[in-house]
Amino acid sequence: NAGVTQTPKFRILKIGQSMTLQCTQDMNHNYMYWYRQDPGMGLKLIYYSVGAGITDKGEVPNGYNVSRSTTEDFPLRLELAAPSQTSVYFCASSYTPRGDTQYFGPGTRLTVL
Amino acid sequence: GQQVMQIPQYQHVQEGEDFTTYCNSSTTLSNIQWYKQRPGGHPVFLIQLVKSGEVKKQKRLTFQFGEAKKNSSLHITATQTTDVGTYFCNQAGTALIFGKGTTLSVSS
Repeated sequence: NAGVTQTPKFRILKIGQSMTLQCTQDMNHNYMYWYRQDPGMGLKLIYYSVGAGITDKGEVPNGYNVSRSTTEDFPLRLELAAPSQTSVYFCASSYTPRGDTQYFGPGTRLTVL
Repeated sequence: GQQVMQIPQYQHVQEGEDFTTYCNSSTTLSNIQWYKQRPGGHPVFLIQLVKSGEVKKQKRLTFQFGEAKKNSSLHITATQTTDVGTYFCNQAGTALIFGKGTTLSVSS
């Protein structure tokens, strides 16, 4: 199993550009999550999904969109990039949300200039 | 939402010294998970505690869950440079909450 994979690893965007961060897991997990981590800070939940076709907002959803058309994929979309979205983005998955291990991808380091 | 606080935020120790980080909640936790994130890496699951007063050990790491299930601690005995990183506590659930973590640095 590859676990949770994320692409790209690094990206530089100009203000106003858009992009999609890809996340795929091969563990047949129902639950998937997107976090952002600013330097020296903890993880903040952006969006999460409890299964294909179902998504919900986390703590910091503004400026982002998600979709979950399959169990495996959970892409994160930035429509109008802003400098405040400069961060490291982690995708994670778990079989259930309650008392279950979250498996994290390697992260995408995004810089918006 | 439920707030999980970790202290200290930063800790520097000499190699061989002990280290402890604490995770505190204002409300009762159903469980507590601990994760470790190495510099430049991603969080990796270490352990989960569920029962009141539970204590689990992993080699030099000792994890405790408070009797009231409102706090937890991670203690590392005789730190090594490989222990460097940020340790996060988290209550698993639909509304996922990660504390800010404790960043440990170790000098040899």
